[in-house]
Amino acid sequence: AQSVTQLGSHVSVSEGALVLLRCNYSSSVPPYLFWYVQYPNQGLQLLLKYTTGATLVKGINGFEAEFKKSETSFHLTKPSAHMSDAAEYFCAVRAPGAGGGADGLTFGKGTHLIIQP
Amino acid sequence: DSGVTQTPKHLITATGQRVTLRCSPRSGDLSVYWYQQSLDQGLQFLIQYYNGEERAKGNILERFSAQQFPDLHSELNLSSLELGDSALYFCASSTGGNTEAFFGQGTRLTVV
Repeated sequence: AQSVTQLGSHVSVSEGALVLLRCNYSSSVPPYLFWYVQYPNQGLQLLLKYTTGATLVKGINGFEAEFKKSETSFHLTKPSAHMSDAAEYFCAVRAPGAGGGADGLTFGKGTHLIIQP
Repeated sequence: DSGVTQTPKHLITATGQRVTLRCSPRSGDLSVYWYQQSLDQGLQFLIQYYNGEERAKGNILERFSAQQFPDLHSELNLSSLELGDSALYFCASSTGGNTEAFFGQGTRLTVV
């Protein structure tokens, strides 16, 4: 079984400051990891994913995340926050190959990112 | 636009009723997933279909059922509705295998 813990249900940063959203996972096998963003009244949009290979993953909108197996973490960062980054962010995990294909994602509770002007 | 279409966008119904939510996956995607998003439970995986067959089950109640049709669209049926079933229901699709899923805009269900 897998699980995801996102530290901080709300994170507030100033415009132009570093964004750091924390995600720790638990998985019995090397996982596939994802970050999704949800804007108000919208569906979820994939920001980035880690499957295999390079542990530093770059995504859309200037976000990146680093898979650290020793820390079971997959924290999301962005060097400089924009007002448009205000949204809900979800970390998710899936065990590769489970169920003969792509099983459902296990999501964290989400982190609401607030950008202060 | 993710290419995944969900209808209706909003649904208000009374307790005890039955509703059907519809999802059209992205062109070429064989896998369809259903998720429930509520304030207290967060985002929960309900069920997955792959090319018409049930592939995986998550936290889906017995009052809920789903199917995927030959044209690959999917329907989620919710019956004997309770107030606690009020939530945002998302459909997602993928090509299958270990690829990312693309989400629709969701159906907001309100049970009164």
